Amino acid sequence: ILNVEQSPQSLHVQEGDSTNFTCSFPSSNFYALHWYRWETAKSPEALFVMTLNGDEKKKGRISATLNTKEGYSYLYIKGSQPEDSATYLCAYTGTASKLTFGTGTRLQVTL
Amino acid sequence: DAMVIQNPRYQVTQFGKPVTLSCSQTLNHNVMYWYQQKSSQAPKLLFHYYDKDFNNEADTPDNFQSRRPNTSFCFLDIRSPGLGDAAMYLCATSRDLSAVYNEQFFGPGTRLTVL
Repeated sequence: ILNVEQSPQSLHVQEGDSTNFTCSFPSSNFYALHWYRWETAKSPEALFVMTLNGDEKKKGRISATLNTKEGYSYLYIKGSQPEDSATYLCAYTGTASKLTFGTGTRLQVTL
Repeated sequence: DAMVIQNPRYQVTQFGKPVTLSCSQTLNHNVMYWYQQKSSQAPKLLFHYYDKDFNNEADTPDNFQSRRPNTSFCFLDIRSPGLGDAAMYLCATSRDLSAVYNEQFFGPGTRLTVL
């Protein structure tokens, strides 16, 4: 059984705060780790795909790191804005080439 | 814009009344997936099609079926919905089944309510 776990389950921050969440995944048979952002009433949108230990990816104010040896990834948001409010999902790909998702972190950013 | 479209966005059905959810894509991708997400749970893969080849997950109930009449369309049929089938159903596509860069593109989902 593959377990992908995300924490915290939900997070409420004020505009301008920086924040981060964690995704933990099996470190064996690892191929890739995906981050998605899912805004209410919209489609989940791919943020990053990471494959190599030590990978760091950045998109504007959002960045992610990957540690495949210990099986975790962090997603960072610098200077949160209300438009960052969404559920952030991570998904692990192993040898089965399927995505196994975590339950997500629901972020709410208020003024 | 190329996209994945799901209809309807909200579906209400009665206990035991068959229901069909629809997904279409303009990406011309080979693979189409159906996921079920229940409240506060992770999206769970039900099955996928690689072209016309159907691949069912081992724990997907027989109550769930799928059809892919052509590259663009894929349907999820729930033969006798139970209260436990109320969930968000997500359709996704990917170019192929690469384990490394299996980037999937999602539709907005259909929220199913069973009365």
